[in-house]
Amino acid sequence: DTAVSQTPKYLVTQMGNDKSIKCEQNLGHDTMYWYKQDSKKFLKIMFSYNNKELIINETVPNRFSPKSPDKAHLNLHINSLELGDSAVYFCASSQDTRTEETQYFGPGTRLLVL
Amino acid sequence: AQKVTQAQTEISVVEKEDVTLDCVYETRDTTYYLFWYKQPPSGELVFLIRRNSFDEQNEISGRYSWNFQKSTSSFNFTITASQVVDSAVYFCALRAYYKLTFGKGTLLTVNP
Repeated sequence: DTAVSQTPKYLVTQMGNDKSIKCEQNLGHDTMYWYKQDSKKFLKIMFSYNNKELIINETVPNRFSPKSPDKAHLNLHINSLELGDSAVYFCASSQDTRTEETQYFGPGTRLLVL
Repeated sequence: AQKVTQAQTEISVVEKEDVTLDCVYETRDTTYYLFWYKQPPSGELVFLIRRNSFDEQNEISGRYSWNFQKSTSSFNFTITASQVVDSAVYFCALRAYYKLTFGKGTLLTVNP
């Protein structure tokens, strides 16, 4: 059983398009996250949701809009894709927002914008 | 502000060698947690260990061991008798309050 799953695994698209990445966790966690890993492997938090409410938004462009229909899902929609959006996007979840809670990551979605 | 520094960008060893991956952190918070994650060539991020700021005991898990020294703000990771399957990027991370901050990672290559 996959704890944190993401679809699609790979996404190749043209500049200017709109795309979505889906994330689901079956761990019963309250908190979910999106991270971006750039070509140099640097991982940075983008968003965090707790019980469907946004709690972290790390100065991400407005073209990125997370949506949490329920606490087991956190989807990422990206409008007007740019070349610089090419990266690996990781979804993660943790029991709650407490500092000690470990974050468990999904397998990543490799986005390539041409 | 939080910061995690992994000064070793790449390390290459021969199988069965011991290797230590360094991690130095900065935070003003008195309560924080430190983590290590492994990212093998397949790309997923695998949780290895969590350590809180009040527990400076070293930890050993099989061939893996971690040395937390608050005095030097370091949380180093040692792999004993390395194996080819240990080849991966290893990330050290710090969490204080809401944010998990990652270091830039160390690429470990274990050659047969």
